[in-house]
Amino acid sequence: ETGVTQTPRHLVMGMTNKKSLKCEQHLGHNAMYWYKQSAKKPLELMFVYSLEERVENNSVPSRFSPECPNSSHLFLHLHTLQPEDSALYLCASSSGTGTWEQYFGPGTRLTVT
Amino acid sequence: AQKVTQAQTEISVVEKEDVTLDCVYETRDTTYYLFWYKQPPSGELVFLIRRNSFDEQNEISGRYSWNFQKSTSSFNFTITASQVVDSAVYFCALSEVNAGNMLTFGGGTRLMVKP
Repeated sequence: ETGVTQTPRHLVMGMTNKKSLKCEQHLGHNAMYWYKQSAKKPLELMFVYSLEERVENNSVPSRFSPECPNSSHLFLHLHTLQPEDSALYLCASSSGTGTWEQYFGPGTRLTVT
Repeated sequence: AQKVTQAQTEISVVEKEDVTLDCVYETRDTTYYLFWYKQPPSGELVFLIRRNSFDEQNEISGRYSWNFQKSTSSFNFTITASQVVDSAVYFCALSEVNAGNMLTFGGGTRLMVKP
């Protein structure tokens, strides 16, 4: 067990729905990340939070909205998604945003219909 | 140009064979870090190793070994006596100090170990 949990594990949503992905880390880390993994592209970094402040927003469309209420929890709010947003969304955490290794959750498999 | 290139998209071996996964990186930083992760079918990426640019010593951990060569910008990963449980996608990643230390991943190599 990696200490990073994600819910739900699978999600199917229509383009007009609003849903949220949840990530929780039990490792005492200070930094959390959202990644997108699709079949056609390598792992793409979406957002980085350090000590609950966003430090990186990698040109992600506004239909993805992150929230980090504390250092253990990270959310990704989704609204008016497109079919091309279907992918595996992975959450990770690390001791800091330096060169520390990141620990990943199992991911949420998202399908947009 | 890709910063991390894993030229082998898919490798298939028979159990007990040795297999090497290639990773070539590109950076102008003198200080950087390289990583390998394993992604089994369950989905989560599992951290395997971190190596900094000043430490070219090869590392061995059980059946796993890593060969870091700055002269060729490569950080290759070898599995000795492969097992079916080694079947997964393996990712090499680069963290550059001048890029905010964010991880840049290669495209991954899918390893299939057949019994």
